[in-house]
Amino acid sequence: AQSVTQPDIHITVSEGASLELRCNYSYGATPYLFWYVQSPGQGLQLLLKYFSGDTLVQGIKGFEAEFKRSQSSFNLRKPSVHWSDAAEYFCAVVPTTDSWGKFQFGAGTQVVVTP
Amino acid sequence: EAGVAQSPRYKIIEKRQSVAFWCNPISGHATLYWYQQILGQGPKLLIQFQNNGVVDDSQLPKDRFSAERLKGVDSTLKIQPAKLEDSAVYLCASSSVIRNEQFFGPGTRLTVL
Repeated sequence: AQSVTQPDIHITVSEGASLELRCNYSYGATPYLFWYVQSPGQGLQLLLKYFSGDTLVQGIKGFEAEFKRSQSSFNLRKPSVHWSDAAEYFCAVVPTTDSWGKFQFGAGTQVVVTP
Repeated sequence: EAGVAQSPRYKIIEKRQSVAFWCNPISGHATLYWYQQILGQGPKLLIQFQNNGVVDDSQLPKDRFSAERLKGVDSTLKIQPAKLEDSAVYLCASSSVIRNEQFFGPGTRLTVL
């Protein structure tokens, strides 16, 4: 079955440390890939997206993600986190074979930033 | 550019009551989505409109949920009657191009008692 998995429900990281959030997908063909962030009480904001081309994608707020076809992964990274990065992060995929572009979201990873 | 607007932001009702949510997408966006986000889970698509037509409502509980997008602009989502398990945040999103970035509203947090 087609799915998107975020293996880490919760991650705690110290301010200034690096952060990596994992996302794996299970689709026949490489889907379109997205990372969104959701702060408390807010809607989702797009961090970055991958459609094709360069497998290292730069996004907003200093985030980047790397697409690895062999691992069916699209992991999100930030070299040095700030307290304002505390939020929930969602990986989302859209099958390229889906004419209507139905988004499927992972369950999310909650990031806590400690001083 | 104004973002996606939703109202109300919060709603508390008792089970078996009815409730309606409103969404105004970004101007010019043809595609509109309603999601249900239960606490601790990712958003789940309920219904997708392309202009004023429904293109996917496979996960909409049609016995109690209904949605419309008259004139292809704003949209309403209704629950009648509500159940306890409907407690969630209801997110509206819009996009200008299918399979591209979706812009989300702030959501409506529904509590069913």
